[in-house]
Amino acid sequence: GNSVTQMEGPVTLSEEAFLTINCTYTATGYPSLFWYVQYPGEGLQLLLKATKADDKGSNKGFEATYRKETTSFHLEKGSVQVSDSAVYFCALSDDQAGTALIFGKGTTLSVSS
Amino acid sequence: DVKVTQSSRYLVKRTGEKVFLECVQDMDHENMFWYRQDPGLGLRLIYFSYDVKMKEKGDIPEGYSVSREKKERFSLILESASTNQTSMYLCASSLFGVADTQYFGPGTRLTVL
Repeated sequence: GNSVTQMEGPVTLSEEAFLTINCTYTATGYPSLFWYVQYPGEGLQLLLKATKADDKGSNKGFEATYRKETTSFHLEKGSVQVSDSAVYFCALSDDQAGTALIFGKGTTLSVSS
Repeated sequence: DVKVTQSSRYLVKRTGEKVFLECVQDMDHENMFWYRQDPGLGLRLIYFSYDVKMKEKGDIPEGYSVSREKKERFSLILESASTNQTSMYLCASSLFGVADTQYFGPGTRLTVL
């Protein structure tokens, strides 16, 4: 079945450091891939998405490229800020399977000044 | 902007009480979802609905029921609350299908004593 695996946290970085959060997936069809972010005390917000292979999603300085050959959708940011401290969720959807989004377990990022 | 609202941010109930969690979305979305979020377990889908009066079980429906009498409103019901239902409950909606981008409410933190 479909599944998402993302790196376990917490990830602790200093301000302006480079961020990578790994996400790999298993899917039988042609999924769309998402990154959601959850700031403290809030619900999830869509950060970026990609709907087909080699697409790059980007938003707020974050990027992720849909890599079909490695079944990955790693999240990157060149220079993190304290305000990026949050929980990040990788997710996939499979229209052909007709199922709701499947989420990874989340990775907590903590950025210190 | 899509707005998904949940009736309470924090709720404290006693074991055995009947609990109603309400969710309203204002963008005429067809699909609505209820998740619970627990540390280390990520998001787990309880129920979803793809139309008024229609519902489908998610991964963990036991101990829960739902109601969707109007398109904009999706209620989660705990018939007899138990301490293991203490959790963060998140509601979401999507427009184009259950696999489409989801928009989340701020969450309800429920404590069952």
